[in-house]
Amino acid sequence: DAGITQSPRHKVTETGTPVTLRCHQTENHRYMYWYRQDPGHGLRLIHYSYGVKDTDKGEVSDGYSVSRSKTEDFLLTLESATSSQTSVYFCAISDVYSNQPQHFGDGTRLSIL
Amino acid sequence: QQQVKQSPQSLIVQKGGISIINCAYENTAFDYFPWYQQFPGKGPALLIAIRPDVSEKKEGRFTISFNKSAKQFSLHIMDSQPGDSATYFCAAGDRGSTLGRLYFGRGTQLTVWP
Repeated sequence: DAGITQSPRHKVTETGTPVTLRCHQTENHRYMYWYRQDPGHGLRLIHYSYGVKDTDKGEVSDGYSVSRSKTEDFLLTLESATSSQTSVYFCAISDVYSNQPQHFGDGTRLSIL
Repeated sequence: QQQVKQSPQSLIVQKGGISIINCAYENTAFDYFPWYQQFPGKGPALLIAIRPDVSEKKEGRFTISFNKSAKQFSLHIMDSQPGDSATYFCAAGDRGSTLGRLYFGRGTQLTVWP
């Protein structure tokens, strides 16, 4: 299995609080992605990164920010969490230039009350 | 706008039967079509993938059929087993793009009854 660790695995928090999710990889892949998974919506891309300090928005980026200061870490931040952000969040990595597929972590289940 | 449309949303199959999941896309730049399998509590895992230069790819009981002119592709699971019960996602991507982005269908929840 690809070396991807997401933390925390579960989190419950209150509306209006800041939340940061972490994705750590040991594969030295250049590309990293954050998705959210909701029933009936499948996997939707929030943000992605194509290198250290290089990030871009996906299709559902409102209310989220990301940072990547090191190749191995990609952080997703909810500045002020809302109940609509209750979801399961997945990180994925890819080595695009060697045509490797995306590999996913096991997710973070986030509940915002 | 949904880039990849997947059907059905759920599927119930008897053990030993054939499970078929269909996907369609519009962007002719897509040239990579993977299928992911997801079990509860786990992340999606790559199951099988196809490039548009072939019409079919088989790996064990899993087969992808690809119709480039119709812009459709499908996953066939032969001799379906209870252990195949999972959520399946099709996806499409443009390997020529340096972004490596995949567009996912909404998923199919497969249940195989023993």
